[in-house]
Amino acid sequence: DVQLVESGGGLVKPGGSLRLSCAASGFRFSYAWMTWVRQAPEKGLEWVARIKSKNNGGTTDYAAPVKDRFTISRDDSTNTLYLEMNSLSTEDTAVYFCTSEYCTNFGCSTKGAYDIWGPGTMVTVSS
Amino acid sequence: DIVMTQSPDSLAVSLGERATINCKSSQSVLDSSNNKNYLAWYQQRPGQPPKLLIYYTSTRESGVPDRFSGSGSGTDFTLTISSLQAEDVSVYYCQQYYRTPFTFGGGTKVEIK
Repeated sequence: DVQLVESGGGLVKPGGSLRLSCAASGFRFSYAWMTWVRQAPEKGLEWVARIKSKNNGGTTDYAAPVKDRFTISRDDSTNTLYLEMNSLSTEDTAVYFCTSEYCTNFGCSTKGAYDIWGPGTMVTVSS
Repeated sequence: DIVMTQSPDSLAVSLGERATINCKSSQSVLDSSNNKNYLAWYQQRPGQPPKLLIYYTSTRESGVPDRFSGSGSGTDFTLTISSLQAEDVSVYYCQQYYRTPFTFGGGTKVEIK
């Protein structure tokens, strides 16, 4: 089965740090450009960060609110995506989803949009 | 950043009737090299992750009922549900994936009248 499963969420104090993980299975993770999207309670979707495949340079992009505080990374040997979050504030409280395009040994779908999503992990920043 | 503006914020439609959601981008999301508009639509049910419905403005994802259709170009886009079913009650989001950050619209909540 094609699957993304996030973990690492929880309660953290303002100013604290947290590392999220996303375990991928059922598709060619190393080819995929992986993304984190978040959703604050009762709010809309917010694109957070993306990392390209190593074949495409492994470069990263961030949304302005998280740039210089969050770091996206990947470990293709374990099919795992990470999000290191520092200097957390209450505004970072959200469900964090990892998402991707579907990729096989022959390449990735050419949709550009996200057809695989994890169930999300909740991050609560509160004193 | 490209700002995506959806309207309305919510709408209530009778079963079997048409629902129309609009999405406007602050800049064109058309790639003139391939004539594709980098605009997707997602459906999100309560407590669930988003589900891809349509990509490149009008291409339905596999398994998505044909009552869902997308149209538009440049900066103005529309998602239409031709005959609303009970299972379509959801929040719908547009997203541009032309230029990072790949921004989402604010969402449109669709309910049954």
